[in-house]
Amino acid sequence: GDQVEQSPSALSLHEGTGSALRCNFTTTMRAVQWFRKNSRGSLINLFYLASGTKENGRLKSAFDSKERYSTLHIRDAQLEDSGTYFCASNSGTYQRFGTGTKLQVVP
Amino acid sequence: NSKVIQTPRYLVKGQGQKAKMRCIPEKGHPVVFWYQQNKNNEFKFLINFQNQEVLQQIDMTEKRFSAECPSNSPCSLEIQSSEAGDSALYLCASSPGQGGAEQFFGPGTRLTVL
Repeated sequence: GDQVEQSPSALSLHEGTGSALRCNFTTTMRAVQWFRKNSRGSLINLFYLASGTKENGRLKSAFDSKERYSTLHIRDAQLEDSGTYFCASNSGTYQRFGTGTKLQVVP
Repeated sequence: NSKVIQTPRYLVKGQGQKAKMRCIPEKGHPVVFWYQQNKNNEFKFLINFQNQEVLQQIDMTEKRFSAECPSNSPCSLEIQSSEAGDSALYLCASSPGQGGAEQFFGPGTRLTVL
């Protein structure tokens, strides 16, 4: 069935540095969402993309439906960016989620 | 961020008991989804509605769960006879439309089946 492979599963960054998270999809998807789980356990919407790229502050996301992947770039990481990040793809029905990237930002 | 309301936040039931949780979607969102997230962060789609009609559901939901989205009332998801393996976070999401539209999630109901 349709699957979403998210990597890395865990990531440690020093404050001020950056990195990228990636999700690969086994089939063509219509859209992708990126979420962060906050300290209360709620999923916060970061990005929704049907194509192309979007940027919001220190976060930038890209989605290539033809090549079947999406990325989330974090730059100038801050301590408050720590948390678990999820991608979710949508083929037109329900979402299929990656298993998350646990990000820890350290001083 | 999201205005989806889910109650209760925590639910503890014994095996064989019914477990019912509710969801109020964002105003103006006709499409509602239920997902189950286990302790390994794996999400499983359960069922979705457009207004009061079921769009899709998985086999497990059809057999063991009862779900509805009546007009002018919260949506609900009820496990008819809880099993230990049902312990999970149940997430409700609403969307302004079908076909890949953005989904907005509630905080979830954490069910523990003893």
